[in-house]
Amino acid sequence: AQRVTQPEKLLSVFKGAPVELKCNYSYSGSPELFWYVQYSRQRLQLLLRHISRESIKGFTADLNKGETSFHLKKPFAQEEDSAMYYCALETYSGNTPLVFGKGTRLSVIA
Amino acid sequence: NAGVTQTPKFQVLKTGQSMTLQCAQDMNHNSMYWYRQDPGMGLRLIYYSASEGTTDKGEVPNGYNVSRLNKREFSLRLESAAPSQTSVYFCASSEFLGTGGGGANVLTFGAGSRLTVL
Repeated sequence: AQRVTQPEKLLSVFKGAPVELKCNYSYSGSPELFWYVQYSRQRLQLLLRHISRESIKGFTADLNKGETSFHLKKPFAQEEDSAMYYCALETYSGNTPLVFGKGTRLSVIA
Repeated sequence: NAGVTQTPKFQVLKTGQSMTLQCAQDMNHNSMYWYRQDPGMGLRLIYYSASEGTTDKGEVPNGYNVSRLNKREFSLRLESAAPSQTSVYFCASSEFLGTGGGGANVLTFGAGSRLTVL
């Protein structure tokens, strides 16, 4: 069965420091991977998906199939990045619902 | 364009009471979902509906029922609420975005419904 692991419940960094939110997955096929974000008092929303190879709000994520990882990175954290981040996995066919990790709360300290 | 609308936003129930959470989307999406969000547990899928007329169990379906009333609406019912069902419930709908022969569902979420069972 597919599984997503986010090892850190809480990550605190200083403003301007680099950020890396870890995500590991278990799935034998070709995965579709996502990062969703929930800012305070806002809805969960898609941040980025790996297939788009895009950078959103300065965040990037690279799929490493050898390490089965999809870590989210940003070189310089901003206070407005403080939020709950969820990594999610879907099978390539899209026939099964997303499986979410337990989430990592990022706190950026001024 | 309202997206995904959930009602009610807040609800307090006593153990054993029943209630229905309503969800509607106006994006013509085929798939709809109900998740619950609990501290330290992340988002867990309760039920989903891949298309109008179909529903399937997710990871934590016990104690819940769902109805896909039409393409727009997907309701979640608690027949006999228990304190363990105290949670924040999220409805979502999705569109399948394909690229290069593959693809995946991108979810749009509602604002959430905070339910407390005493």
